[in-house]
Amino acid sequence: NAGVTQTPKFQVLKTGQSMTLQCAQDMNHEYMSWYRQDPGMGLRLIHYSVGAGITDQGEVPNGYNVSRSTTEDFPLRLLSAAPSQTSVYFCASGKTSYGYTFGSGTRLTVV
Amino acid sequence: RKEVEQDPGPFNVPEGATVAFNCTYSNSASQSFFWYRQDCRKEPKLLMSVYSSGNEDGRFTAQLNRASQYISLLIRDSKLSDSATYLCVVREGGNNRKLIWGLGTSLAVNP
Repeated sequence: NAGVTQTPKFQVLKTGQSMTLQCAQDMNHEYMSWYRQDPGMGLRLIHYSVGAGITDQGEVPNGYNVSRSTTEDFPLRLLSAAPSQTSVYFCASGKTSYGYTFGSGTRLTVV
Repeated sequence: RKEVEQDPGPFNVPEGATVAFNCTYSNSASQSFFWYRQDCRKEPKLLMSVYSSGNEDGRFTAQLNRASQYISLLIRDSKLSDSATYLCVVREGGNNRKLIWGLGTSLAVNP
C-alpha cells in the first residue's frame, strides 16, 4: 500500500513552460484534491474531484487544469508557468467522512 | 473574520509540559473537525479527528465546543518529537466536502 504518490518531488520551470504534476493513490479513495502551500497563506485548494470523471474548482484554480479519468490518478497541469506559481504542491485523497492522506509534495520553482 | 483561526505561536515549552491549542471557526454549520500535524518541509498528517464528545489518543486530547465554535488540542507530557506545526481543519456541511485550513500553530518542545 503506497498511499498517495506524487511525482516529481522537485521541479524548476522557466516562465511559460507547461508541465504535469502526477498524483496516484491506491486506497480506492473517492475524493482527491490538489493544494498549494505558501508561507503565511496556509493550504489553498486548487482543484478537487469527488470521483472519476468529476472535477471542480477550488479557491485558486487559475492557471491550472485537472482531469480524473480513473479513481487512482489525478494529475495537475500547469498551462503556462508563472513565477507566482512557485510553491509547494500537495495532492491529497480521502473517504468522504474521514481525514485525508497527503502525498509528500512537489516543490516547484518558476524562474 | 477568517473562517478558521489559530494562534500562530510559537509555543516554546519544556519537555514534559502540558500545552493546549485552540482553534475557532466561523461557520456554525461545519460538520467535521480535525487536527493535522506538519513537520518542517513535510506533508500534513492526520493527527486525530475531533468528535462532539471529545476524544483522546494517548497523550493527545481533542475537544469540540459547538456553542462557542472552537476546538482544542491538549498535549500532555510533551516530547521533543512533538515539535511541529499543528493545523486545525474544518469540513463544511452538506454536499460541500471542502476543508477549511487554519494557518497552524507552531510548537517547539525544548530539552
